[in-house]
Amino acid sequence: NAGVTQTPKFRVLKTGQSMTLLCAQDMNHEYMYWYRQDPGMGLRLIHYSVGEGTTAKGEVPDGYNVSRLKKQNFLLGLESAAPSQTSVYFCASSLYGTSGALQETQYFGPGTRLLVL
Amino acid sequence: DAKTTQPTSMDCAEGRAANLPCNHSTISGNEYVYWYRQIHSQGPQYIIHGLKNNETNEMASLIITEDRKSSTLILPHATLRDTAVYYCIVSIYNQGGKLIFGQGTELSVKP
Repeated sequence: NAGVTQTPKFRVLKTGQSMTLLCAQDMNHEYMYWYRQDPGMGLRLIHYSVGEGTTAKGEVPDGYNVSRLKKQNFLLGLESAAPSQTSVYFCASSLYGTSGALQETQYFGPGTRLLVL
Repeated sequence: DAKTTQPTSMDCAEGRAANLPCNHSTISGNEYVYWYRQIHSQGPQYIIHGLKNNETNEMASLIITEDRKSSTLILPHATLRDTAVYYCIVSIYNQGGKLIFGQGTELSVKP
């Protein structure tokens, strides 16, 4: 059981280039999230998904797109990278539940460090 | 969502209890209190959560005041591996799981 994995671990892009970050989870979780973390700051939610085929905007969605074609995968795309998108990107997943607080008990991946020059 | 206030940093001696406070004076009745921690360069790790009652698990205890305006995370016997940034978050469950992370408390456990 690998939990939440992220690919790649590190990437350098030039301004204007595009790339896709992959998040995979093997826990059969319904909910998945993409966060970014800038130096000295807490995590900020970019986009999230409450199930296969559905996505929604988070706190800082501009400049990013996402897709959830399969339940276990959540992709984050940068169509035209900008230096302001230099950050560490974390993916997370959680169970769906109508009682308790399962959705907020999130399991995080190890992160992808992105540098945009 | 309610906002939280935490001290920027704290020190704790190894083997002693670490008590991390959090103020959430505007918390509403259906909001839970969650604690996560982030060890340097790693993804955050869920610790514990609660609504009204005190909670305990294998990692920590959570004490929530009767008026729910503040809480304390207790690590009973801190080790060097507990050095991390600790985030206190309040959130309404069943709303898509959106968590709002603040800046947290940087806990340094010293030998």
